Amino acid sequence: IAGITQAPTSQILAAGRRMTLRCTQDMRHNAMYWYRQDLGLGLRLIHYSNTAGTTGKGEVPDGYSVSRANTDDFPLTLASAVPSQTSVYFCASSRGLGDTQYFGPGTRLTVL
Amino acid sequence: AQTVTQSQPEMSVQEAETVTLSCTYDTSENNYYLFWYKQPPSRQMILVIRQEAYKQQNATENRFSVNFQKAAKSFSLKISDSQLGDTAMYFCAFMKNYGGSQGNLIFGKGTKLSVKP
Repeated sequence: IAGITQAPTSQILAAGRRMTLRCTQDMRHNAMYWYRQDLGLGLRLIHYSNTAGTTGKGEVPDGYSVSRANTDDFPLTLASAVPSQTSVYFCASSRGLGDTQYFGPGTRLTVL
Repeated sequence: AQTVTQSQPEMSVQEAETVTLSCTYDTSENNYYLFWYKQPPSRQMILVIRQEAYKQQNATENRFSVNFQKAAKSFSLKISDSQLGDTAMYFCAFMKNYGGSQGNLIFGKGTKLSVKP
């Protein structure tokens, strides 16, 4: 592995279902982030983590939760998906907060 | 709150020519970073260039350079000798630089660049 991986690549999900998007980095970066990308709106921060064991809310956190049990993994969970959560989700990491962020390949999620 | 504006939704350029993408931002901060990211059809977000606000010298990376005008809050990207592989969405982004910050990027809505043969 080199960089950031995300899984799945894409997913179609029924409304009301629970879904976890996975993100793993092998760069030993301390900080990790989740963004969503919507047409015409650019990317917006959902949640972030400064270091393992800590998380924080971004600009659009409602309906999402995250955990950071270790340095490498930063899963994003939708407890009960709604159609407005249809989007492309990007995970990113940086050496620390405020450092240059590097992005994973993204997950396209469709909620019907 | 910070905002980033990219006023050109779409642009096109002939191969081997030069193109400039515009970006303006609004902030009351004095210490921050600015970035250009490229998103080709593969969807991958790729860092193109980074500029520290405290540096007067414009950043360059091979064929990519910026014109950073701090007083005007302007941060344009110049692509020289355009190549077909430069076809992509280009996003301008802003990040505050101070302790306790979320460290998140504030993105513009993007400019779709098409390089024509």
